[in-house]
Amino acid sequence: EPEVTQTPSHQVTQMGQEVILRCVPISNHLYFYWYRQILGQKVEFLVSFYNNEISEKSEIFDDQFSVERPDGSNFTLKIRSTKLEDSAMYFCASNRVTEAFFGQGTRLTVV
Amino acid sequence: QKEVEQNSGPLSVPEGAIASLNCTYSDRGSQSFFWYRQYSGKSPELIMFIYSNGDKEDGRFTAQLNKASQYVSLLIRDSQPSDSATYLCAVTDNNNDMRFGAGTRLTVKP
Repeated sequence: EPEVTQTPSHQVTQMGQEVILRCVPISNHLYFYWYRQILGQKVEFLVSFYNNEISEKSEIFDDQFSVERPDGSNFTLKIRSTKLEDSAMYFCASNRVTEAFFGQGTRLTVV
Repeated sequence: QKEVEQNSGPLSVPEGAIASLNCTYSDRGSQSFFWYRQYSGKSPELIMFIYSNGDKEDGRFTAQLNKASQYVSLLIRDSQPSDSATYLCAVTDNNNDMRFGAGTRLTVKP
């Protein structure tokens, strides 16, 4: 069964460093998303991506964040200069028309 | 601001009982409604979705949608300890952007 895959599963980075979180969505899906979940808190929408451009972004998705679909299969989230409060689980999701399927997440720890 | 509200719980029911989970949403333009289950430390997994007013049943799960009241619910019949998880309500708008509620933590006691 097709699935959304995310790498790495866990990343530890120093404050101020850049990180790139990678996702391979399901191949025939058209909409791509990044969500964040701080430990013990709700799943928060970051950004949606459709037709090779950002469809919508939340107030969390500031200038420190960017997304790319560099090669038609990968979908990346870059955080330019990480802060302690960026520590969270980051989920990638994709869908074709209806329900979204989630990757297993990348746990980002900023120290 | 498109809000999705859920009672955070915890909701505790005995094994075999019916668990009732509720969700309200603020955006009247919302198109589709989803229930996801999330075990601790895991990603959300889809349980079911509903688009039209009324009830939709899938095994032990029934989703109910009332667009006039901007209300969607999930009933779990014959609750099992393995149903213990956080249940996330999600709503998409006409751009297919999905927003989640904070989730309701359900505990089913043997």
